[in-house]
Amino acid sequence: NAGVTQTPKFQVLKTGQSMTLQCAQDMNHNSMYWYRQDPGMGLRLIYYSASEGTTDKGEVPNGYNVSRLNKREFSLRLESAAPSQTSVYFCASSYGPANTEAFFGQGTRLTVV
Amino acid sequence: GDSVTQMEGPVTLSEEAFLTINCTYTATGYPSLFWYVQYPGEGLQLLLKATKADDKGSNKGFEATYRKETTSFHLEKGSVQVSDSAVYFCALSGPNDYKLSFGAGTTVTVRA
Repeated sequence: NAGVTQTPKFQVLKTGQSMTLQCAQDMNHNSMYWYRQDPGMGLRLIYYSASEGTTDKGEVPNGYNVSRLNKREFSLRLESAAPSQTSVYFCASSYGPANTEAFFGQGTRLTVV
Repeated sequence: GDSVTQMEGPVTLSEEAFLTINCTYTATGYPSLFWYVQYPGEGLQLLLKATKADDKGSNKGFEATYRKETTSFHLEKGSVQVSDSAVYFCALSGPNDYKLSFGAGTTVTVRA
């Protein structure tokens, strides 16, 4: 019953460093998403992948890149981290568009100093 | 664009009290509406949803009715338990959208 698995769970970066957040799902879902959660703002969509081989920008894509490695895996890369990217990042997956149930990972708490 | 406004918290209740969290939305067309819940240290999980006007979603004693005339989807539970302590998010999506638009979240604490 793994569902959506994210790694790492916590990370501290210095400004300008790069890192990749990993996400994998074992539910054979077509669509995968990366959200960030900031206090008082709910969750905002960074990028999504409607199906294997496609990726699209969400609401707040600047400073991020993504790769849909295969149907199971969807990674998020910060090329040059900035303090404004301090947030909790959630990966999610769903069988189809967002009006089908989305399943979320446990989140990655990222701090950029 | 689409947006969701939900009641600000935090909300603190005693066990067995009545809970209501207000949610209103702005959207074109006929969105689907959701309540997601985030328990401490966990990711979000779907609590309930409604896909058309007058639909009632229900789960774990929680209910919400899709009211198109008032563009609302208020969450209610008649008798809360300590285990209901969590952050509750109202959200919407268009019929073929890949984006969920979330409200800011409401933190609910239930005391024994």
